[in-house]
Amino acid sequence: AQTVTQSQPEMSVQEAETVTLSCTYDTSESDYYLFWYKQPPSRQMILVIRQEAYKQQNATENRFSVNFQKAAKSFSLKISDSQLGDAAMYFCAYRRGYSGGGADGLTFGKGTHLIIQP
Amino acid sequence: DAEITQSPRHKITETGRQVTLACHQTWNHNNMFWYRQDLGHGLRLIHYSYGVHDTNKGEVSDGYSVSRSNTEDLPLTLESAASSQTSVYFCASSDSVNTEAFFGQGTRLTVV
Repeated sequence: AQTVTQSQPEMSVQEAETVTLSCTYDTSESDYYLFWYKQPPSRQMILVIRQEAYKQQNATENRFSVNFQKAAKSFSLKISDSQLGDAAMYFCAYRRGYSGGGADGLTFGKGTHLIIQP
Repeated sequence: DAEITQSPRHKITETGRQVTLACHQTWNHNNMFWYRQDLGHGLRLIHYSYGVHDTNKGEVSDGYSVSRSNTEDLPLTLESAASSQTSVYFCASSDSVNTEAFFGQGTRLTVV
């Protein structure tokens, strides 16, 4: 079974600085997808960024980018120019590719609590 | 706009009672999921469905059941609520393997 590990329970960064959240995963599949979700205090789960395993290019969404190292099974999230609104729990998640039925559920890490210092 | 809604947002129930949490999506997605979120565990998959009349067990399915009679709804039933089932429950849906899952706003369930 696949597992997702987030080794940093909590991270703190100064506003406008850059922070990197770590995520490693374990799978025997070659076709899969990786996601970062943000959960602010409102509890809503919000997709931050998505990476397809077959793509070598790292995904980027505005101030958010990933460092996807497939051989090392590492998928870190970099947040540039941190803003107060970035404060939230961040979850790394894995989904394997098409298995003949439909979309499998996501396997989540335990999350990293990101604190933004003004 | 399409959306996914859960009801109720908060519920308190007694041990041993049957409880049903509702999930309704207007995305017309085939895939629907139920997760529970607990401190120190992140989100864990309870049940999922690939389409009408299809249901599958997830990682933590004991004590829970689901049924899918139409595309829009996937209710989650706790047959006999236990204190260990006190948690925040999230419903989600997605279109296909390579698309994101959209989440409901969550239901906080307390079993006393």
